[in-house]
Amino acid sequence: DAGVIQSPRHEVTEMGQEVTLRCKPISGHNSLFWYRQTMMRGLELLIYFNNNVPIDDSGMPEDRFSAKMPNASFSTLKIQPSEPRDSAVYFCASSLEASSYNEQFFGPGTRLTVL
Amino acid sequence: GDSVTQMEGPVTLSEEAFLTINCTYTATGYPSLFWYVQYPGEGLQLLLKATKADDKGSNKGFEATYRKETTSFHLEKGSVQVSDSAVYFCALSDRNENSGYSTLTFGKGTMLLVSP
Repeated sequence: DAGVIQSPRHEVTEMGQEVTLRCKPISGHNSLFWYRQTMMRGLELLIYFNNNVPIDDSGMPEDRFSAKMPNASFSTLKIQPSEPRDSAVYFCASSLEASSYNEQFFGPGTRLTVL
Repeated sequence: GDSVTQMEGPVTLSEEAFLTINCTYTATGYPSLFWYVQYPGEGLQLLLKATKADDKGSNKGFEATYRKETTSFHLEKGSVQVSDSAVYFCALSDRNENSGYSTLTFGKGTMLLVSP
């Protein structure tokens, strides 16, 4: 079975450019999570969805960040405009339901570098 | 709020040595506890979990016991291998009272380096 798929795996862009990260969750999973990983702050939950509906976006750092889930098999995280401090690895994860018992399955991540 | 504290790394061991990575947590509810492992260049993978007090999670020779009295979930392995070199994350999942959904709170991760 295919796991969580993220694209691109690596993205290098210049400050001020728009960046779009993509995620395809595991088929049948109802919950989707976006995380950011940096050396300084570790893993941070940015936003999560249940049944395509955003539940909590309090982890989104600024209005420059936005996320959508137009259907059960696709989600995007957009940064506009991007800044060097946005450089990080961004992970998408999915689970059957956002329950305390359920494992989250992580994608391989997108390594973003903003110059 | 909920939080997870785990020992800072890197932890450097020789092959076949005993491993302990300490993890303690603070939670308002009754969380489930997890250990995830991240190999270089990859996403996180679930290593083991425990959903209630005194449960022991185990996988691939790794074990951790949910100790509610000490709010701990220490990871252990009797004999590590070079292939165990990775970053290990302790995490808890607790129900958010506002949303009704559960999310993971991670520790900062502990890097394990095993030499032959």
